[in-house]
Amino acid sequence: GAVVSQHPSRVICKSGTSVKIECRSLDFQATTMFWYRQFPKQSLMLMATSNEGSKATYEQGVEKDKFLINHASLTLSTLTVTSAHPEDSSFYICSATSGTGAGNTIYFGEGSWLTVV
Amino acid sequence: AQKITQTQPGMFVQEKEAVTLDCTYDTSDPSYGLFWYKQPSSGEMIFLIYQGSYDQQNATEGRYSLNFQKARKSANLVISASQLGDSAMYFCAMRGNTGGFKTIFGAGTRLFVKA
Repeated sequence: GAVVSQHPSRVICKSGTSVKIECRSLDFQATTMFWYRQFPKQSLMLMATSNEGSKATYEQGVEKDKFLINHASLTLSTLTVTSAHPEDSSFYICSATSGTGAGNTIYFGEGSWLTVV
Repeated sequence: AQKITQTQPGMFVQEKEAVTLDCTYDTSDPSYGLFWYKQPSSGEMIFLIYQGSYDQQNATEGRYSLNFQKARKSANLVISASQLGDSAMYFCAMRGNTGGFKTIFGAGTRLFVKA
C-alpha cells in the first residue's frame, strides 16, 4: 500500500518553544493531507484539512495561530505547534490521500508523540 | 451531520475464533466510503478494509471481512481465525462528500485476543 512517513516519531520540547512535525507521502502525490490529534485511549480528532498550495481548513475549536499547517508540495505537509504548553502534549498523526473522492483510501503516517515539559 | 458509532469499548476473543466488531453510521451523503483501521500500541494506523456505499458485495481482505448492511447503516468488521497479534484498537471510519471529504472516526473498540 501507499506509504506516508511522519517525522519525528517522538519529540520533547520546552514550554514556550515551537516544534515542527513533517508528513511526507513517499510514493504518491497527496492532494490532501489531514492532521489529527489523539488523546490517550480516545479516538482521532481531526484538526485540519490541508490542500496543496492553499490555506488549511481548520476544524471548529482548533487554534489556527497555534497549530500552523503548511502544505507546500504534493508530498509534504508540516504541522508547527507554536509556543507549546504542556497541555499540547499529545499524539499527532497525519494522513494523506491522492484523491478527493469518498472512495480514496486514507493512508496514515506513523504518528508523532509530543511531550512539552 | 455525519456520525460513526462504535458501542463496544472492549472485546475479548479466544485465539483462532472469529469476532465481530460493531459499527453504525449516519450520513446524508448519497456516496460515501467506510473504512476500518487497526491501531496497535505503537500508535500507527493500519488500513484494513474499505467498503463503498454503492458496492454490491461485502468487502473482504484476507481474514477481514466487512458485513455491510446499508439499510441498517451498519458496517461491522469480522475477523476470522483471531491471532494474538490482532490485539489492538480498531477504528471504524467514514468519508463522504460533506466537509471536503474529511474522514471521521468512531470511538474505537479495544480487542483482546486470549491464548
